[in-house]
Amino acid sequence: AQTVTQSQPEMSVQEAETVTLSCTYDTSENNYYLFWYKQPPSRQMILVIRQEAYKQQNATENRFSVNFQKAAKSFSLKISDSQLGDTAMYFCAFMKPWTSGTYKYIFGTGTRLKVLA
Amino acid sequence: EPEVTQTPSHQVTQMGQEVILRCVPISNHLYFYWYRQILGQKVEFLVSFYNNEISEKSEIFDDQFSVERPDGSNFTLKIRSTKLEDSAMYFCASSDRGYTEAFFGQGTRLTVV
Repeated sequence: AQTVTQSQPEMSVQEAETVTLSCTYDTSENNYYLFWYKQPPSRQMILVIRQEAYKQQNATENRFSVNFQKAAKSFSLKISDSQLGDTAMYFCAFMKPWTSGTYKYIFGTGTRLKVLA
Repeated sequence: EPEVTQTPSHQVTQMGQEVILRCVPISNHLYFYWYRQILGQKVEFLVSFYNNEISEKSEIFDDQFSVERPDGSNFTLKIRSTKLEDSAMYFCASSDRGYTEAFFGQGTRLTVV
């Protein structure tokens, strides 16, 4: 069974600085997808970034980028130029492909990030 | 921008009562999901639904739970006889091609008293 581990329950960063959130996962699959979702105090789940396992290039979305190390099964999120609005819970998620029977997310336990003014 | 809409945003119910949580997925999406988040804990998969049938369900999704897509636009989650431990935030999500990202609704907070 797949598992997703986020080892940092809480982190804080000064506004305008850079922070990296860690995520590791365990799977025997070769093709899969990885995501970072943000959950602000409103509790809505908002997609931050997505990575396909077959792509070697790390995904980037504005101030958000990932460091995807497939062999190490590591998928960290880097937030550059942190803003107060980045304060939220961040969930790493794994999705296995349809050939395994279905699509579903397996989420980590989350990292609560606080951006300090 | 299209979005997933859930109603109600908060529901309080007596233990043993039936509840129906409602969702309107994005209109051209084909894959539908329910997830649950007990306060302070991780988001857990409940059920996925495609082509008018359940494609996978978790061990949480027991006989007390059911899903329906009654009219081609709504997607509902029914809990037949609620327990205290069903208190959680319930998220509906949909995606167009399954392997693309799912869009989540804003959630329904269910409180069982």
